[in-house]
Amino acid sequence: SQQGEEDPQALSIQEGENATMNCSYKTSINNLQWYRQNSGRGLVHLILIRSNEREKHSGRLRVTLDTSKKSSSLLITASRAADTASYFCATDGSGGYQKVTFGIGTKLQVIP
Amino acid sequence: DTGVSQDPRHKITKRGQNVTFRCDPISEHNRLYWYRQTLGQGPEFLTYFQNEAQLEKSRLLSDRFSAERPKGSFSTLEIQRTEQGDSAMYLCASSSQEKGYFGPGTRLLVL
Repeated sequence: SQQGEEDPQALSIQEGENATMNCSYKTSINNLQWYRQNSGRGLVHLILIRSNEREKHSGRLRVTLDTSKKSSSLLITASRAADTASYFCATDGSGGYQKVTFGIGTKLQVIP
Repeated sequence: DTGVSQDPRHKITKRGQNVTFRCDPISEHNRLYWYRQTLGQGPEFLTYFQNEAQLEKSRLLSDRFSAERPKGSFSTLEIQRTEQGDSAMYLCASSSQEKGYFGPGTRLLVL
């Protein structure tokens, strides 16, 4: 079974708008990671946030983590057509990268 | 190229045949993972190696599946007597302490 659940499962926005995706998980974690996957391709690591961090930025990406609610959000600002992809959160509850568990993903479409 | 590579990228086989996939991780990573991904789902963990030792194996991995990493570098995943339900994308990843780096995947279609 997969621990993370992303919400919404699909999101369609206009280029230039911001996109927000949420992830909920069930058990305690050491860190949470977000990945992007273009159709039919491998996953690309975007950002990692540790359980003692609340917010992290990387370029146009902003990730928040609320361990009390067991949830995280990924915000992509000023979206571009090239951001069209599926986005997955992945949690690791056992230290290191062993057995990282992925959610089912949010499919983002950015309309030019 | 210093990324994770997988070969082949696509494989079509008939039910009952055996297939073998290869993964070459990033050279300085001692951890290697196999995942399976079906359409519309996230990757599901299959197995994990630290160097040449297979440390964990998912219950998803039936007896028809075997993975090796003989010298702690590249790894192979073999599926024997393939079934239509084995059709999926098979992803390999290698990691440093925290981040996983994924290969492009091998897409398997069992007819």
